[in-house]
Formats: sequence, structure tokens, C-alpha cells
Amino acid sequence: AQTVTQSQPEMSVQEAETVTLSCTYDTSESDYYLFWYKQPPSRQMILVIRQEAYKQQNATENRFSVNFQKAAKSFSLKISDSQLGDAAMYFCAYSSMNRDDKIIFGKGTRLHILP
Amino acid sequence: GAVVSQHPSRVICKSGTSVKIECRSLDFQATTMFWYRQFPKQSLMLMATSNEGSKATYEQGVEKDKFLINHASLTLSTLTVTSAHPEDSSFYICSATSQPDTQETQYFGPGTRLLVL
Repeated sequence: AQTVTQSQPEMSVQEAETVTLSCTYDTSESDYYLFWYKQPPSRQMILVIRQEAYKQQNATENRFSVNFQKAAKSFSLKISDSQLGDAAMYFCAYSSMNRDDKIIFGKGTRLHILP
Repeated sequence: GAVVSQHPSRVICKSGTSVKIECRSLDFQATTMFWYRQFPKQSLMLMATSNEGSKATYEQGVEKDKFLINHASLTLSTLTVTSAHPEDSSFYICSATSQPDTQETQYFGPGTRLLVL
């Protein structure tokens, strides 16, 4: 069975600085999807970034980028130029290639932005 | 695009009553919708997978007679909490996969906060 592990329950970063959130996963599949979701205080789940495992190039979305290491089964999220609005719970997630398959979420990392 | 709504956003009910939560995909057709439950400061726990026109698939430990799921159309799924009790108080979130979207992404509703007195 697939698992997703986020080893950092909480992190803090100074505004305008860069922070990296860690995520590791375990799977026997060769093709899959990985996601980072953000859940702000409103509790609305927002997709931050996604990565297809068959793509070697790391996904980037504005200030958000990932470091995808397939062999190491690592999928970290880097947030550059942190802003107060980035404060939220961040969930790393895994999904198989089947569109109807469930997403497996990590336990989350709460990110605090220090002004 | 890919907006999912939930109604109501919050509900308070008496113990023993039933509560229905609606999940709608507003601008796309969702053949599959998912229902999650989230306890405070915890991750999302999948309750069931709902496919349009067929019975929902429940996760282990989730009572299907307690949490009734109906997915009658490609844009609407409902979760009914029957004979609600205080322990059912939680945050319920639905999500949907976008049929025309080939990127296999789940889009989430804003959630429903249920409080059972």
C-alpha cells in the first residue's frame, strides 16, 4: 500500500525568505501523480502544484517549485519569497494513474510566516 | 474553471436528526466524487468514493448505513448523515475529478462544518 510521510508537523519562515517542506512516499508503482495542497484557515483545499512521475523536470508554479527525486521517493516543496498569505497547512499527496483512484494524503505541515 | 461548491457551509442539528450535505461541480462534469472527513488539526480521511449512477464505495470502518451517499447526476453528489450524534460532529469535504481534465486532479469544495448537539 502507498504511504505519504511528512516529517515536519510545523515550520516557520521569515517573510520574504525561502522555505522547503519535506515529503517522502512509498509505492511500488512506476507511474503516479504527486501533489501539494494548501489548506488556509478558511479550510478550503487549494492545489498548489502537481507532478507527474514520468516527467523528470521539476514542476514550478510561480513562487512554488518542487524537488522531485523519484529514486529516493522524495517530493519536497520550496516556497520562495514567502508571503503572509502563504501561512497554511500544507498536505503532500499521492495518486495512482487511475483518475478514479483515491488520493493518499500526508499528515500535513503547518507553515507559519513571521512578519 | 473546475469549481466545486458545498451546501450548507455549516449546520447545527439536534442529536437523532439527519443532515444532508450537497456537493456540486459548477462548471464541469464529475463522474467521480469523493467524500472526506477532517478532524481538527488532522489530515483528510477518505470516507467514500462516489460514482455517478452507481453505489458508492466506502472505506473500511465507515458505516454505509450511517453515511448515505447518492450521486444522481454528473454534477451533484449528496452525503446524508443519518441519526446524527455528537461524535459525528466534524468537517466534511467533498472533491471531484474533472472529466475533461486529463491532469487527474481532484478539486475540493469549501467544506461543511457539522455540529451535532
